[in-house]
Amino acid sequence: AQSVTQLGSHVSVSEGALVLLRCNYSSSVPPYLFWYVQYPNQGLQLLLKYTSAATLVKGINDFEAEFKKSETSFHLTKPSAHMSDAAEYFCAVSLSGNTPLVFGKGTRLSVIA
Amino acid sequence: DTAVSQTPKYLVTQMGNDKSIKCEQNLGHDTMYWYKQDSKKFLKIMFSYNNKELIINETVPNRFSPKSPDKAHLNLHINSLELGDSAVYFCASRQTTGGPHEQYFGPGTRLTVT
Repeated sequence: AQSVTQLGSHVSVSEGALVLLRCNYSSSVPPYLFWYVQYPNQGLQLLLKYTSAATLVKGINDFEAEFKKSETSFHLTKPSAHMSDAAEYFCAVSLSGNTPLVFGKGTRLSVIA
Repeated sequence: DTAVSQTPKYLVTQMGNDKSIKCEQNLGHDTMYWYKQDSKKFLKIMFSYNNKELIINETVPNRFSPKSPDKAHLNLHINSLELGDSAVYFCASRQTTGGPHEQYFGPGTRLTVT
C-alpha cells in the first residue's frame, strides 16, 4: 500500500525567504505524486504533479518539486515566499490513474512579514 | 463555471438526524470521490464511484451511503448523525483514463453535529 509522510506539521518562513516543504512517499511501484494547496475555508487546488516524465516539476505560483527515487522524496520548494502563500499544503500519492489519492497529514505554512 | 460544486457549504444539525450533501461536476470526469477532513486537517477517502459503480469503501460506517443518479452527481447521505461526524466533507472528481490526471475538489461542506 502506498503512503505519504510530510515532515513538519508547521513551517514558518520570512517573506522573501526560501520555502521548503518535505514529502516522502512509500510505494511498491513507481507512483504518481501531487502537491495541493488549501487556503482557509476553501477546497484543495493542484500546485503540481509528477507523472514519470521530468523529475523536476514546475507548478503554479513559482512552486516546483523534484522527484528523487533514491530518496523516495518529492519536496516542494519556492525561491521567495509571499504573504499570500500562507496556507495548508498537502502531498499526495496515487499508484495508477484510477486509484484515489492518498494524502499526507499536511503542512501549514506561515509567512512572517 | 464551477468545476465541482457542493451544497450546502455549511450544515448544522442535531445528533440523530439524517442529512444529505450534494455534489455535481461539469468536467465530464468518469470517477467521483468523497473525502472527510477532520479537525486536524487529515484527509481520508470515504467513497469512490466510477461509472455509477462503487469501487472503494474505506471502512466507513454504513450510516454513510453515497448515491449517484448519473455520472455528474455523487450525493452523500448520512443517517443517525453522531458528534464524531462533524468534519469538512469534500467531493472530488477525476478522469481515470488517458493518464494520471489530478483530482479536482469541491469547496467543501462543513458539517457540525450538536
